[in-house]
Amino acid sequence: NAGVTQTPKFQVLKTGQSMTLQCAQDMNHEYMSWYRQDPGMGLRLIHYSVGAGITDQGEVPNGYNVSRSTTEDFPLRLLSAAPSQTSVYFCASSYGKSGNTIYFGEGSWLTVV
Amino acid sequence: EDQVTQSPEALRLQEGESSSLNCSYTVSGLRGLFWYRQDPGKGPEFLFTLYSAGEEKEKERLKATLTKKESFLHITAPKPEDSATYLCAVQATDSWGKLQFGAGTQVVVTP
Repeated sequence: NAGVTQTPKFQVLKTGQSMTLQCAQDMNHEYMSWYRQDPGMGLRLIHYSVGAGITDQGEVPNGYNVSRSTTEDFPLRLLSAAPSQTSVYFCASSYGKSGNTIYFGEGSWLTVV
Repeated sequence: EDQVTQSPEALRLQEGESSSLNCSYTVSGLRGLFWYRQDPGKGPEFLFTLYSAGEEKEKERLKATLTKKESFLHITAPKPEDSATYLCAVQATDSWGKLQFGAGTQVVVTP
C-alpha cells in the first residue's frame, strides 16, 4: 500500500517555466489537497478537491491550477513559475470531508531561479 | 478567521527530561485538532486527533490533551528518536477537511 505518492521529489525551474507536480493515492480517498510549507509559516492550503470533478481554492491559490479527473490523481500545475513559488509542496488525502485522518505525501522540493 | 499558534518555536531537551508543547487556537467551530510529527525531509506523520475539550490520547511517550482554547503535547522521558518538528492543526466544522496549521515546534533531544 503506497499511500500518497508525489513526483518529482526535487525540481529546479527557471522563472516563467511551467510544470506539473503529480500526486496519486491508492486509498480510495475522496478528499485531496495541496499545501505549501515555507520556513516559519507552517503549511498553507493551495487547492483542494472533495471528489472527482470538484475542486476549490484554499488560502494561497494564485499561480496554481488543479484538476481532478479521477479519484486517485490530483496534479498541481504551476502556470508561469516565480521565485516566490520556491517552497516544499505536500499533497494530502483523507476519506470523507471532515474529522478523519489526513495523510501526507513525502513532499516535492521546488526551486525557482 | 481560524488561527493556530504554537509555542515554543524550539525546544532543546536532555534525554529523560519531560516537557510540554502548547498549541493555542481560535476556530469558529472545532471539528478536530490534529497533531503531526515531521522529520527533516519528510512529510507530516499523523499522531493524534482530538475532538472535544477534556479528551486525551496517548502513544508511547506522547500524550495530547485538549481544552476549549488550547492543546498540549506532553513528552514524557523523551529519547533522541523523539527529535522532530511537531505540528498542530485545526479543522473547522465547515472546512470540508481543510487544516489550519501552526508553524510548529522543533524539538531536539540530546543523549
